[in-house]
Amino acid sequence: DTGVSQDPRHKITKRGQNVTFRCDPISEHNRLYWYRQTLGQGPEFLTYFQNEAQLEKSRLLSDRFSAERPKGSFSTLEIQRTEQGDSAMYLCASTFRTSESTDTQYFGPGTRLTVL
Amino acid sequence: DAKTTQPTSMDCAEGRAANLPCNHSTISGNEYVYWYRQIHSQGPQYIIHGLKNNETNEMASLIITEDRKSSTLILPHATLRDTAVYYCIVRVASGSARQLTFGSGTQLTVLP
Repeated sequence: DTGVSQDPRHKITKRGQNVTFRCDPISEHNRLYWYRQTLGQGPEFLTYFQNEAQLEKSRLLSDRFSAERPKGSFSTLEIQRTEQGDSAMYLCASTFRTSESTDTQYFGPGTRLTVL
Repeated sequence: DAKTTQPTSMDCAEGRAANLPCNHSTISGNEYVYWYRQIHSQGPQYIIHGLKNNETNEMASLIITEDRKSSTLILPHATLRDTAVYYCIVRVASGSARQLTFGSGTQLTVLP
């Protein structure tokens, strides 16, 4: 499978615990995005990377959230001290971006987080 | 990025064409129209995008009005597997473009 993959697909945790999600983008895609989607809403942007550099973070990304893409390939999203409001689907997307291209973002299947 | 307006829901009979409208009256000249869909509990799936000309691919056709203030996504022969939320997104596609901004989309239900 050459698409975007995410792991785990589902995560149930207790309030206050830390969780980490992983995203493996399509090979050679230089941009990687994280989105969050709550029930009944469209996905909302959290952050994105160009290679290993994190270039933008949404105001939705509180201090408890941190994302990395250490080698410009896979990325991790960590949530510390989870709260019930963090329950959502976390989506990853990747694209190959140049200054001239009309890039298309391809999404992974998402990680559904439930905080009890 | 320009704001879009889509109907909340639509039904379509299986085998018939599904026509999903989108209004984007404030679209700028350098903004593209993108369509994604999201089947329940899956990640969004890219369908098609266009600037001003009509576009067609293996999944769908995109018809953009001459003034570019509205567009229609056409699924020529809808199947039950096309039941999904369809998102119309208007987005700059130059080097400065970044994230996608999703609205609430249209829930398309294909009926047997």
